[in-house]
Amino acid sequence: NAGVTQTPKFQVLKTGQSMTLQCAQDMNHNSMYWYRQDPGMGLRLIYYSASEGTTDKGEVPNGYNVSRLNKREFSLRLESAAPSQTSVYFCASSDRGQVGYTFGSGTRLTVV
Amino acid sequence: EDKVVQSPLSLVVHEGDTVTLNCSYEVTNFRSLLWYKQEKKAPTFLFMLTSSGIEKKSGRLSSILDKKELFSILNITATQTGDSAVYLCAPLHGSGNTGKLIFGQGTTLQVKP
Repeated sequence: NAGVTQTPKFQVLKTGQSMTLQCAQDMNHNSMYWYRQDPGMGLRLIYYSASEGTTDKGEVPNGYNVSRLNKREFSLRLESAAPSQTSVYFCASSDRGQVGYTFGSGTRLTVV
Repeated sequence: EDKVVQSPLSLVVHEGDTVTLNCSYEVTNFRSLLWYKQEKKAPTFLFMLTSSGIEKKSGRLSSILDKKELFSILNITATQTGDSAVYLCAPLHGSGNTGKLIFGQGTTLQVKP
């Protein structure tokens, strides 16, 4: 049971570089989410996708874009990384009737 | 604006102590409230509370929701060092088919031997 798989687990970027964080789930869930977690803070929602083909902004979408490639995959792109985007990023998925979200193991991103 | 406030922010206790963690919330289209435990990695699910006044219990952990006063508490009795973690409160809110979790900042619990 893979659940939610995120890649990479760690990444260091220089300011201005771009990258895509990958997320895939094998539970046939309709909804997927991207959160970021900064030290001493809870998780903040960046973007979510209620179903394949739809995406919506969360609390902190600036500087990010997302793609719901298919039902399984939901990627997060940083077009021009900034030090303020240094954080731990979590992908999650859920489905109606499920209790709670299933989270990936996280990506620790450092922008220097 | 949706808001979730947890208290205390951090707590240090000794094994065997009982702790109470608090969560107050103001969110639109409230559906339920979830508690998570986070140890270094991804949050793991503890409880989901939908109805007021009904205690959910799992071993030494229990939780209850008050939808009138907009708060929830998480109790841990006879604490152990393995309970050391960040505890996150997260109301689930939203209309339609998708609910969104909004997280509090967490309570960091350290249990000393």
